[in-house]
Amino acid sequence: EDQVTQSPEALRLQEGESSSLNCSYTVSGLRGLFWYRQDPGKGPEFLFTLYSAGEEKEKERLKATLTKKESFLHITAPKPEDSATYLCAVPTSGTYKYIFGTGTRLKVLA
Amino acid sequence: KAGVTQTPRYLIKTRGQQVTLSCSPISGHRSVSWYQQTPGQGLQFLFEYFSETQRNKGNFPGRFSGRQFSNSRSEMNVSTLELGDSALYLCASSLTVGGKNTGELFFGEGSRLTVL
Repeated sequence: EDQVTQSPEALRLQEGESSSLNCSYTVSGLRGLFWYRQDPGKGPEFLFTLYSAGEEKEKERLKATLTKKESFLHITAPKPEDSATYLCAVPTSGTYKYIFGTGTRLKVLA
Repeated sequence: KAGVTQTPRYLIKTRGQQVTLSCSPISGHRSVSWYQQTPGQGLQFLFEYFSETQRNKGNFPGRFSGRQFSNSRSEMNVSTLELGDSALYLCASSLTVGGKNTGELFFGEGSRLTVL
C-alpha cells in the first residue's frame, strides 16, 4: 500500500539552528515527491518537486534531497518566518491521487 | 496571474443539511482536485476531475460528490452533513499536458466548514 510518513511531528528551533525534516515513502513507480509549506488558515504552497534518487533542490534556506526510500528537507539557519507546517506528498501508482504526510509543524524562535 | 479561488471561505451548517463548495482553478489548468484536511487525518484525497470527468475518487462515502464544468470550474457537494465533516476543504488545480498532470498542485485557501 502506498504510504507517506513524516517525522518529527513537531520541531522547535532557535533562530539560526539548522535541522532536517524527514519524509519516508512507499510507492510503486515514483512519479515525483512534492514538498509544500502550509501557514495557519491557508492552503499548502508548493516548494519543490524531486523525481529521482540523488536529486537536490534549493530555495533560500531550504534544501530538499531524495533517496529511494525517503526525502529530507534541510533548513539552514532558519528564521522565525520559516515557521509553518511542512508537508510532503506523492502521487499514488498510476493515478492523480496524491497521498500527503501528516506534516511537520516547525516553530522557529527568535 | 490569479490563483485558485475557493468560495465560500467560511461556513457553518447544522447536521443533516447539505453544502456546496466552489472552486475556480488557475487559468489554463484543467485538472481540479479536492482534499479534506482535519487535524487528526491530515489531507485526505476526495476526488480529481479533468475535462468534466472524474478520474479518481478517494475513500469517502457517497454523500461527498463533485462535478466539473466546461470552463474547468468545479464544485463539491456534501449531503446530510455529520459532525465529522467539519474540516478545511481544499481545492487544487494542476497543469496538464496531453491529459497528464505535470506535477505540482496549486491550492486555494480552502473553505472552512463547521457542522454543529
